[in-house]
Amino acid sequence: AQRVTQPEKLLSVFKGAPVELKCNYSYSGSPELFWYVQYSRQRLQLLLRHISRESIKGFTADLNKGETSFHLKKPFAQEEDSAMYYCALRRSSNTGKLIFGQGTTLQVKP
Amino acid sequence: ETGVTQSPTHLIKTRGQQVTLRCSSQSGHNTVSWYQQALGQGPQFIFQYYREEENGRGNFPPRFSGLQFPNYSSELNVNALELDDSALYLCASSLGQGLMNTEAFFGQGTRLTVV
Repeated sequence: AQRVTQPEKLLSVFKGAPVELKCNYSYSGSPELFWYVQYSRQRLQLLLRHISRESIKGFTADLNKGETSFHLKKPFAQEEDSAMYYCALRRSSNTGKLIFGQGTTLQVKP
Repeated sequence: ETGVTQSPTHLIKTRGQQVTLRCSSQSGHNTVSWYQQALGQGPQFIFQYYREEENGRGNFPPRFSGLQFPNYSSELNVNALELDDSALYLCASSLGQGLMNTEAFFGQGTRLTVV
């Protein structure tokens, strides 16, 4: 069965510190991986997807098929990065079904 | 271009009742997915509709049903409500083109409380 695991419910860092939000998945095929973010009182929105290989708001994520991981990283956290982050997996592009992890709350302290 | 809108934003129902939640997809999108998000959990896939047909279903009982209309808006119906159905219900729309689906855009959700 497909599963996404985010081991940390809460990650608290100081402004300017590096951030790494962990995401591991289980799936035997070649999935698409995404990071979604939900800022306070806002809707869930896509942050980045692995096939784009781009950096959004200073965040990057590399798909490591050997370790089945898709960790989200940012070298210098900002207070405005405080939000709930969800890692999600899609089996292939011919389905809209997303499998989400439980989410990690990132708290960036001043 | 309009985004995904859901109605109502909040709803309180009694156990055993039935509820209908509505979703208007983003302009140009033909695929709608519904998710249930319990408190402290990630969203769980309920089902997806593509061009008015159910096109994938998660691990939810038959009392969860849906519809998609010709304008691609959608409804989620839940019969015989249980206390555990209390959750945030999210709708997401995307553009499905045969073998390809674009990214999903989410609505703000409907908070359902069953008492």
